[in-house]
Amino acid sequence: GNSVTQMEGPVTLSEEAFLTINCTYTATGYPSLFWYVQYPGEGLQLLLKATKADDKGSNKGFEATYRKETTSFHLEKGSVQVSDSAVYFCALTGNQFYFGTGTSLTVIP
Amino acid sequence: GAGVSQSPSNKVTEKGKDVELRCDPISGHTALYWYRQRLGQGLEFLIYFQGNSAPDKSGLPSDRFSAERTGESVSTLTIQRTQQEDSAVYLCASSLALAVQETQYFGPGTRLLVL
Repeated sequence: GNSVTQMEGPVTLSEEAFLTINCTYTATGYPSLFWYVQYPGEGLQLLLKATKADDKGSNKGFEATYRKETTSFHLEKGSVQVSDSAVYFCALTGNQFYFGTGTSLTVIP
Repeated sequence: GAGVSQSPSNKVTEKGKDVELRCDPISGHTALYWYRQRLGQGLEFLIYFQGNSAPDKSGLPSDRFSAERTGESVSTLTIQRTQQEDSAVYLCASSLALAVQETQYFGPGTRLLVL
């Protein structure tokens, strides 16, 4: 069946550090992949998505590439800011809907 | 409305009581989803509705859980004879259509505590 495995947190980084949050998946068919973000005190919202293999989603300086050969959709940002502190969820939609456990990121000045 | 709304925002109940959670999706969104998020865990899919089609109930954890949706509007999730393990945040989301590439828009959640 389908599933999503996400890097455990919490992650603490200094401002301007490079961020990677790993996400791997198992899926049949042609799922779409998403990163959702939950800022403190707010609801989940879409950060970026990719709907087919080799697509790259990007938003707010974050990027993730849908890699079928490694079944991965790792989230990256070259220089994090304090305002990026949030919980990040990797998600897969296919015949059903699968979310990772979330990775808490804290960026310190 | 501008976004998905849920009520109540918090609910404390005693074990064995029934609870009803409400979700108002974004106007015009035909698909609606319910998830459960237990402390320290990811989102667990419960059920989705798409237009007037029969809902996919495959994620409901037991027959104590049920959900209804009237047309393309409000949905209610009912938990009967609540148990302590039902304590969680219940999230509702809606999307323009039911398609793998559609973005889901989430409400703020209802935090349920069963004593």
